This record gives sequence, C-alpha cells and structure tokens, in this order.
Amino acid sequence: GIQVEQSPPDLILQEGANSTLRCNFSDSVNNLQWFHQNPWGQLINLFYIPSGTKQNGRLSATTVATERYSLLYISSSQTTDSGVYFCAVTWNRDDKIIFGKGTRLHILP
Amino acid sequence: DADVTQTPRNRITKTGKRIMLECSQTKGHDRMYWYRQDPGLGLRLIYYSFDVKDINKGEISDGYSVSRQAQAKFSLSLESAIPNQTALYFCATSGTGGKLFFGSGTQLSVL
Repeated sequence: GIQVEQSPPDLILQEGANSTLRCNFSDSVNNLQWFHQNPWGQLINLFYIPSGTKQNGRLSATTVATERYSLLYISSSQTTDSGVYFCAVTWNRDDKIIFGKGTRLHILP
Repeated sequence: DADVTQTPRNRITKTGKRIMLECSQTKGHDRMYWYRQDPGLGLRLIYYSFDVKDINKGEISDGYSVSRQAQAKFSLSLESAIPNQTALYFCATSGTGGKLFFGSGTQLSVL
C-alpha cells in the first residue's frame, strides 16, 4: 500500500516562531489534506490541497504531487496552534484515505 | 447539531463482549469511514463505504465488522472485544472529492 511519512515527529517552539511540517508519500495521490487535532481530540480540516499553494491566515500549505510531498507552514505561532498535525492522502488506486503518524507541535508561551 | 455524530462518546467494556459504535451524518455525503487512533500511530483506516451497497476493508479490519444501514448511518462492531482494541475511534464522511469531516470520536476501553 501507499506509505505516508511526516516529519518531524515532535516540535517544540516558542510563541512567535515559524515552523514547517513535511508530508512525504510513496505513490500517486488524487488529493491531500492537512488536519489539526486540538488538545481536546477534535480533528479540524485545515487544507484540502491536491496541488499548488493555499493560504489561510497564518497557515499555508504547498503540495508538489509530482515530487510526492506537501509542506504546511505555520507563521507567528500561538499557543492555540499546539496539538497534532496530520496529513492524509487519497491513494489514486482505490480512493483509500491514508494518514501519516502526525507531527506533535507544542508552542511555549 | 453536529454534522457527524458518534455514539457513545465513551465506553468501557469487558473482554469478549460484543460492542457497536454508531455514526450518523447530516451532510448528505455518500462516503463514510471508520478510523482508530492509537498514541504515536496516527489514524488507521478500519473500513470505508462509498455507498450503501459498497463496503471495503481498510488497513486494519481484522476483529471488526461494519454495517451501512442507510446513506446517513454507518456502524462499527467489535464481535468479541479484546484489550488491544482499546483506542479512540473516529467516524468520518466525505463527498466524492474526498474532503473529510470527522465526528468527535468514541473513546473505547476494553478491560
């Protein structure tokens, strides 16, 4: 099956710092999504981004499908950005949606 | 009201018991999914369904079964629960484009 790898697995930053999270995948995908899981366990869809670049406030994402990776940028981090960030890909063989293991982000005040 | 509703929110059961987790949605989506989350392992796909007559195994379907009772309802059953099925379970829905929307999760503990 398709493999989805996220890096780094853990990240600790001071409030105000910028960060880049990476998602690599091993095969062709139809779509890619980024999620934030907050400390209460809720999963929020941040970006639906099969290719190109999208921005939403302090967050932006870029997917380069031909090179099989996506990046999530968080600028001017706030403590509310803490949590786990997941990427999920839709494998183009059977439309399964497979998740990476996540990046745990902790923003210190 | 939430678009994707999971019941129960929490459940404690004993080894060997049968348990059903339920999911209903008001988004009108055809596609529904069950995932389990374990610390450090991310979300793993158990089963998915693209319409009422279509059921597919995911990455870790052993020990689980599902039923798609209607477009809006997709239930997950553990026929004989075991302790390593203790996890946080999520239901999700999507349209044909695949953008996922999640329920709030069910924390299951098998003693």
